[in-house]
Amino acid sequence: DAGVIQSPRHEVTEMGQEVTLRCKPISGHDYLFWYRQTMMRGLELLIYFNNNVPIDDSGMPEDRFSAKMPNASFSTLKIQPSEPRDSAVYFCASSLDREYNEQFFGPGTRLTVL
Amino acid sequence: QQPVQSPQAVILREGEDAVINCSSSKALYSVHWYRQKHGEAPVFLMILLKGGEQKGHEKISASFNEKKQQSSLYLTASQLSYSGTYFCGTENEDGGGADGLTFGKGTHLIIQP
Repeated sequence: DAGVIQSPRHEVTEMGQEVTLRCKPISGHDYLFWYRQTMMRGLELLIYFNNNVPIDDSGMPEDRFSAKMPNASFSTLKIQPSEPRDSAVYFCASSLDREYNEQFFGPGTRLTVL
Repeated sequence: QQPVQSPQAVILREGEDAVINCSSSKALYSVHWYRQKHGEAPVFLMILLKGGEQKGHEKISASFNEKKQQSSLYLTASQLSYSGTYFCGTENEDGGGADGLTFGKGTHLIIQP
């Protein structure tokens, strides 16, 4: 299995620019999660989907953040406009079932906003 | 609410044992344990469900006290490869599973030869 795939692995952009992060979950997994990790705040949930439908977006910090899952094999997290405080590592994870919810993490996208 | 992990950091010699604790103020459905090495993604270690079921790697053991809303991860005969940051992630009871996880701040484990 290829595992969860994220792109790009690194992104450097300037304040005010639009940033789009991409994720391909493990085939057959019904749940997809977006997390953000910073030194100050640790690992925090942003949003998650079940069968392509957003279930809980209460962790999305501001209206500048949006996430979509147009089909079972693709999700995006968009930040528009980006700010320096958005600099973090963004992880996508997927899980197969409701009971155990073992989450497999992608390699992450390291975002730096200058 | 974020679970509280203790200790914040541990330094061990190879072969020694360690216990990492995770405590929540909310009733829990499950506790998940992950290990993350520097610059890498968190890797699944174990899940413990309310009611006693658990799933994880053979060499990892953990406990879940539902009444106290606490979990402990036991690392025995530690190896150099055990070094990293250990996170507990929790799902609240009212969610019933397959929620996003709320992670603790992590426990840094260093194993010295």
